[in-house]
Amino acid sequence: KNEVEQSPQNLTAQEGEFITINCSYSVGISALHWLQQHPGGGIVSLFMLSSGKKKHGRLIATINIQEKHSSLHITASHPRDSAVYICAVAPFSGTYKYIFGTGTRLKVLA
Amino acid sequence: DTAVSQTPKYLVTQMGNDKSIKCEQNLGHDTMYWYKQDSKKFLKIMFSYNNKELIINETVPNRFSPKSPDKAHLNLHINSLELGDSAVYFCASSQGRGDEQYFGPGTRLTVT
Repeated sequence: KNEVEQSPQNLTAQEGEFITINCSYSVGISALHWLQQHPGGGIVSLFMLSSGKKKHGRLIATINIQEKHSSLHITASHPRDSAVYICAVAPFSGTYKYIFGTGTRLKVLA
Repeated sequence: DTAVSQTPKYLVTQMGNDKSIKCEQNLGHDTMYWYKQDSKKFLKIMFSYNNKELIINETVPNRFSPKSPDKAHLNLHINSLELGDSAVYFCASSQGRGDEQYFGPGTRLTVT
Protein backbone atom coordinates (compact mmCIF):
# COMPACT_ATOMS: atom_id res chain seq x y z
CA LYS A 1 0.00 0.00 0.00
CA ASN A 2 1.36 3.43 -0.97
CA GLU A 3 1.92 5.95 1.77
CA VAL A 4 -0.01 8.42 -0.38
CA GLU A 5 -3.25 7.29 -1.98
CA GLN A 6 -5.34 9.27 -4.42
CA SER A 7 -8.88 8.75 -5.57
CA PRO A 8 -10.29 8.44 -8.05
CA GLN A 9 -7.56 7.19 -10.37
CA ASN A 10 -9.50 8.30 -13.43
CA LEU A 11 -12.26 10.86 -13.71
CA THR A 12 -14.31 12.04 -16.67
CA ALA A 13 -16.53 15.07 -16.22
CA GLN A 14 -18.69 17.33 -18.33
CA GLU A 15 -17.68 20.94 -18.75
CA GLY A 16 -19.04 23.02 -15.90
CA GLU A 17 -19.11 20.24 -13.32
CA PHE A 18 -17.65 20.58 -9.83
CA ILE A 19 -14.76 18.16 -9.41
CA THR A 20 -13.16 16.73 -6.28
CA ILE A 21 -9.93 14.76 -6.13
CA ASN A 22 -8.92 13.20 -2.84
CA CYS A 23 -5.55 12.43 -1.27
CA SER A 24 -4.97 10.38 1.88
CA TYR A 25 -1.59 9.81 3.44
CA SER A 26 -0.27 7.72 6.29
CA VAL A 27 2.83 9.61 7.45
CA GLY A 28 3.28 12.79 9.47
CA ILE A 29 3.95 15.64 7.12
CA SER A 30 5.27 19.17 7.14
CA ALA A 31 3.49 20.08 3.89
CA LEU A 32 1.35 18.70 1.12
CA HIS A 33 1.60 19.74 -2.51
CA TRP A 34 -0.80 19.47 -5.39
CA LEU A 35 0.81 19.25 -8.81
CA GLN A 36 -0.69 19.34 -12.29
CA GLN A 37 0.77 17.51 -15.26
CA HIS A 38 -0.66 18.40 -18.65
CA PRO A 39 -0.73 15.98 -21.58
CA GLY A 40 2.34 17.76 -22.94
CA GLY A 41 4.21 16.47 -19.90
CA GLY A 42 5.20 19.57 -17.94
CA ILE A 43 4.59 19.56 -14.16
CA VAL A 44 3.32 22.66 -12.42
CA SER A 45 2.91 23.21 -8.71
CA LEU A 46 -0.66 24.31 -7.89
CA PHE A 47 -0.66 24.55 -4.11
CA MET A 48 1.48 23.94 -1.07
CA LEU A 49 -0.52 23.43 2.13
CA SER A 50 0.29 22.79 5.73
CA SER A 51 -3.14 23.64 7.15
CA GLY A 52 -6.57 24.95 6.21
CA LYS A 53 -7.53 25.96 2.74
CA LYS A 54 -6.13 27.80 -0.27
CA LYS A 55 -7.88 29.16 -3.35
CA HIS A 56 -6.49 30.16 -6.70
CA GLY A 57 -8.99 31.04 -9.39
CA ARG A 58 -11.30 28.05 -9.85
CA LEU A 59 -9.07 25.75 -7.82
CA ILE A 60 -9.48 25.16 -4.09
CA ALA A 61 -7.30 22.92 -1.94
CA THR A 62 -8.06 21.87 1.61
CA ILE A 63 -6.19 19.81 4.13
CA ASN A 64 -7.19 18.13 7.39
CA ILE A 65 -3.99 17.30 9.25
CA GLN A 66 -5.73 15.24 11.96
CA GLU A 67 -7.45 13.04 9.38
CA LYS A 68 -4.39 12.99 7.08
CA HIS A 69 -6.50 13.97 4.12
CA SER A 70 -6.53 16.64 1.45
CA SER A 71 -8.91 17.49 -1.35
CA LEU A 72 -8.48 19.43 -4.56
CA HIS A 73 -11.65 20.98 -5.95
CA ILE A 74 -12.18 22.46 -9.38
CA THR A 75 -15.24 24.64 -9.81
CA ALA A 76 -16.85 25.20 -13.23
CA SER A 77 -14.52 22.70 -14.87
CA HIS A 78 -13.27 23.33 -18.38
CA PRO A 79 -11.64 21.06 -21.00
CA ARG A 80 -8.33 22.85 -20.39
CA ASP A 81 -8.39 21.42 -16.85
CA SER A 82 -7.81 17.98 -18.38
CA ALA A 83 -4.55 16.78 -16.86
CA VAL A 84 -3.07 14.42 -14.30
CA TYR A 85 -3.29 15.81 -10.77
CA ILE A 86 -0.66 14.55 -8.36
CA CYS A 87 -0.60 14.80 -4.59
CA ALA A 88 2.83 14.84 -2.93
CA VAL A 89 3.73 15.03 0.74
CA ALA A 90 6.87 16.23 2.47
CA PRO A 91 7.28 13.94 5.52
CA PHE A 92 8.04 15.34 8.98
CA SER A 93 11.22 13.35 9.21
CA GLY A 94 13.15 16.28 7.86
CA THR A 95 13.89 14.63 4.59
CA TYR A 96 13.95 16.62 1.41
CA LYS A 97 12.04 13.80 -0.21
CA TYR A 98 8.52 14.05 -1.52
CA ILE A 99 6.30 10.99 -1.45
CA PHE A 100 4.00 11.03 -4.47
CA GLY A 101 0.53 9.71 -5.02
CA THR A 102 -0.17 7.77 -8.19
CA GLY A 103 -2.08 10.65 -9.73
CA THR A 104 -5.64 11.25 -10.86
CA ARG A 105 -6.22 11.47 -14.59
CA LEU A 106 -8.96 14.02 -15.26
CA LYS A 107 -10.70 14.47 -18.57
CA VAL A 108 -13.23 17.27 -18.97
CA LEU A 109 -15.49 16.95 -21.98
CA ALA A 110 -16.88 19.95 -23.82
CA ASP B 1 13.17 33.14 -18.67
CA THR B 2 12.89 29.46 -17.89
CA ALA B 3 13.20 28.68 -14.19
CA VAL B 4 14.31 25.05 -14.49
CA SER B 5 15.60 23.88 -17.84
CA GLN B 6 16.66 20.46 -19.05
CA THR B 7 18.49 19.30 -22.12
CA PRO B 8 17.80 17.42 -24.22
CA LYS B 9 14.00 17.23 -24.29
CA TYR B 10 14.06 13.96 -26.22
CA LEU B 11 16.78 11.34 -26.26
CA VAL B 12 16.65 8.19 -28.35
CA THR B 13 19.58 5.83 -28.02
CA GLN B 14 20.56 2.22 -28.22
CA MET B 15 21.12 -0.25 -25.44
CA GLY B 16 24.61 -0.19 -24.03
CA ASN B 17 25.26 3.48 -24.80
CA ASP B 18 26.20 6.12 -22.23
CA LYS B 19 24.23 9.36 -22.15
CA SER B 20 23.86 12.51 -20.04
CA ILE B 21 20.96 14.78 -19.23
CA LYS B 22 21.64 18.31 -18.04
CA CYS B 23 19.62 20.48 -15.69
CA GLU B 24 19.98 24.12 -14.76
CA GLN B 25 17.92 26.35 -12.47
CA ASN B 26 18.05 30.12 -12.26
CA LEU B 27 15.90 30.45 -9.14
CA GLY B 28 18.78 30.62 -6.68
CA HIS B 29 17.53 27.45 -4.99
CA ASP B 30 19.80 25.37 -2.80
CA THR B 31 18.30 21.96 -3.56
CA MET B 32 17.93 20.05 -6.81
CA TYR B 33 16.36 16.69 -7.61
CA TRP B 34 16.16 14.01 -10.27
CA TYR B 35 12.93 12.07 -10.66
CA LYS B 36 11.99 9.20 -12.92
CA GLN B 37 8.43 8.94 -14.22
CA ASP B 38 7.46 5.53 -15.51
CA SER B 39 4.88 4.61 -18.13
CA LYS B 40 2.13 4.67 -15.49
CA LYS B 41 3.01 8.28 -14.70
CA PHE B 42 4.32 7.44 -11.23
CA LEU B 43 7.04 9.85 -10.08
CA LYS B 44 9.91 8.46 -8.05
CA ILE B 45 12.83 10.33 -6.51
CA MET B 46 16.26 9.22 -7.64
CA PHE B 47 18.71 11.76 -6.25
CA SER B 48 18.83 15.09 -4.51
CA TYR B 49 21.64 17.55 -3.95
CA ASN B 50 21.72 20.40 -1.46
CA ASN B 51 24.44 22.97 -2.08
CA LYS B 52 26.35 20.46 -4.21
CA GLU B 53 26.14 17.77 -1.52
CA LEU B 54 24.31 14.51 -2.20
CA ILE B 55 21.50 14.16 0.35
CA ILE B 56 19.15 11.63 -1.23
CA ASN B 57 20.35 8.59 -3.09
CA GLU B 58 17.50 6.17 -3.60
CA THR B 59 17.95 2.60 -4.67
CA VAL B 60 18.87 3.11 -8.27
CA PRO B 61 21.43 1.10 -10.26
CA ASN B 62 24.91 2.50 -9.95
CA ARG B 63 24.86 2.98 -13.73
CA PHE B 64 23.15 6.26 -12.81
CA SER B 65 25.49 8.92 -11.50
CA PRO B 66 24.47 12.48 -10.64
CA LYS B 67 26.96 15.34 -10.75
CA SER B 68 26.47 18.82 -9.35
CA PRO B 69 29.24 21.17 -10.48
CA ASP B 70 27.54 24.06 -8.67
CA LYS B 71 24.23 24.59 -6.92
CA ALA B 72 22.54 25.79 -10.11
CA HIS B 73 23.32 22.64 -12.06
CA LEU B 74 22.58 18.97 -11.58
CA ASN B 75 23.43 16.56 -14.36
CA LEU B 76 22.53 12.89 -14.68
CA HIS B 77 24.85 10.48 -16.41
CA ILE B 78 23.65 7.00 -17.33
CA ASN B 79 26.05 4.24 -18.32
CA SER B 80 25.25 1.08 -20.26
CA LEU B 81 21.66 2.03 -20.98
CA GLU B 82 19.03 -0.68 -20.72
CA LEU B 83 15.53 -0.96 -22.17
CA GLY B 84 14.06 -0.47 -18.68
CA ASP B 85 15.68 2.94 -18.42
CA SER B 86 13.15 4.27 -20.92
CA ALA B 87 11.10 6.86 -19.03
CA VAL B 88 10.67 10.58 -18.59
CA TYR B 89 13.27 12.10 -16.29
CA PHE B 90 12.39 15.29 -14.46
CA CYS B 91 14.71 17.70 -12.76
CA ALA B 92 13.34 19.94 -10.01
CA SER B 93 14.59 22.49 -7.53
CA SER B 94 13.44 23.93 -4.22
CA GLN B 95 14.75 26.44 -1.74
CA GLY B 96 14.94 23.91 1.04
CA ARG B 97 13.46 20.94 2.84
CA GLY B 98 9.73 20.52 2.18
CA ASP B 99 9.52 23.70 0.13
CA GLU B 100 7.64 23.99 -3.12
CA GLN B 101 9.45 22.27 -5.95
CA TYR B 102 9.76 23.70 -9.43
CA PHE B 103 10.00 21.14 -12.20
CA GLY B 104 11.84 21.18 -15.48
CA PRO B 105 10.04 20.21 -18.70
CA GLY B 106 11.28 16.62 -18.57
CA THR B 107 13.53 14.54 -20.80
CA ARG B 108 11.90 11.63 -22.57
CA LEU B 109 14.51 8.89 -22.85
CA THR B 110 13.84 6.01 -25.21
CA VAL B 111 16.26 3.10 -25.26
CA THR B 112 15.96 0.80 -28.27
